Amino acid sequence: KAGVTQTPRYLIKTRGQQVTLSCSPISGHRSVSWYQQTPGQGLQFLFEYFSETQRNKGNFPGRFSGRQFSNSRSEMNVSTLELGDSALYLCASSEAGYEKLFFGSGTQLSVL
Amino acid sequence: AQTVTQSQPEMSVQEAETVTLSCTYDTSESDYYLFWYKQPPSRQMILVIRQEAYKQQNATENRFSVNFQKAAKSFSLKISDSQLGDAAMYFCAYRSASSGDKLTFGTGTRLAVRP
Repeated sequence: KAGVTQTPRYLIKTRGQQVTLSCSPISGHRSVSWYQQTPGQGLQFLFEYFSETQRNKGNFPGRFSGRQFSNSRSEMNVSTLELGDSALYLCASSEAGYEKLFFGSGTQLSVL
Repeated sequence: AQTVTQSQPEMSVQEAETVTLSCTYDTSESDYYLFWYKQPPSRQMILVIRQEAYKQQNATENRFSVNFQKAAKSFSLKISDSQLGDAAMYFCAYRSASSGDKLTFGTGTRLAVRP
């Protein structure tokens, strides 16, 4: 089975722009969650989707949003980018939530 | 809110020796899971070991084992026969049994393995 696939691997944007990151879970996995990793704040939970519904949400501003499609693929969007949004964004999937979580290699976002 | 604390920012071990990474957590819940994840330079988080809080027996996966002390809220990782490939960041993580895939991570321990 292919692992969790995140695209793109690297992204450079400027302040004020918006960005969309993509995540394809392992085949058969219905739960997708997103995490932000920065040197200062560490790993922080953004949100979780299960069967196209947001099940959990972390403590991030409304500029951060996500969605999940019927094939379980997920996207997250960040609008009006700020310098502090520069981070590694990790996606993870599991079969039905409450199971082992498998991570992708992340998208490194740099905001200039 | 749950918190996870890793008090060792960096650790070093000689190849073939044993090393223990520390983790403590704080929660008022009784049903939860604890994990150790490894993050090598490739950045992908790899699950090392998982422990269910209701299980008294400590989890073991090959050279990796944990010392789970529920009353003390302590969850340490022991790596035996350390190998060069074990060099990475190690993160301890907590998940409530009622919070889906929401993990709370510690700040990580960078493990170096000396040849």
